[in-house]
Amino acid sequence: KAGVTQTPRYLIKTRGQQVTLSCSPISGHRSVSWYQQTPGQGLQFLFEYFSETQRNKGNFPGRFSGRQFSNSRSEMNVSTLELGDSALYLCASSTGTSGGGLQYFGAGTRLSVL
Amino acid sequence: AQTVTQSQPEMSVQEAETVTLSCTYDTSESNYYLFWYKQPPSRQMILVIRQEAYKQQNATENRFSVNFQKAAKSFSLKISDSQLGDTAMYFCAFLVRNAGNNRKLIWGLGTSLAVNP
Repeated sequence: KAGVTQTPRYLIKTRGQQVTLSCSPISGHRSVSWYQQTPGQGLQFLFEYFSETQRNKGNFPGRFSGRQFSNSRSEMNVSTLELGDSALYLCASSTGTSGGGLQYFGAGTRLSVL
Repeated sequence: AQTVTQSQPEMSVQEAETVTLSCTYDTSESNYYLFWYKQPPSRQMILVIRQEAYKQQNATENRFSVNFQKAAKSFSLKISDSQLGDTAMYFCAFLVRNAGNNRKLIWGLGTSLAVNP
């Protein structure tokens, strides 16, 4: 069974631009969660999508948004990029219904904002 | 507030020796899950071990075991017979449930473990 796939692996953008990150979960998983990882703040929960609906979100500004498609693939969008958005963005997939919250992670997208 | 604290930013151990990583957490819930994840330089976050709070028996996965002290809200990870491949960042995480009964992981800041030959 294929793992969680995140694309692209690396991105370089400039302030003010917008960016879209993609995450394909494990086949059969309906939940995708997104996390931002920075050296100072560690891992911060962004949001979770389940069956195309956002059912949980963290404390991030509205510039961070996401969506999920009918095949459970998810995209995360960040508009009007700021220098502080430079981070590793991880997505995790799970069944979303049971399994004690077991999440499987992708290798992440490294975003650098210049 | 739900928090996870890892008090050791960096640790090192000699190959084949045993090392223990500390983690404490804070919650008012009675049933929850605790996790240890490792993140090697490849960045892939890998599950090491999971503990269900209602189970008194400490979880074990090969060379990895936990010491779960529910009353003290402590969840330490013991790595036996350390190997060079264990070099990684180790994160303690705690599964919380929000008002809508949905779940999210709360993370500690991590412990960087170096296994020396």
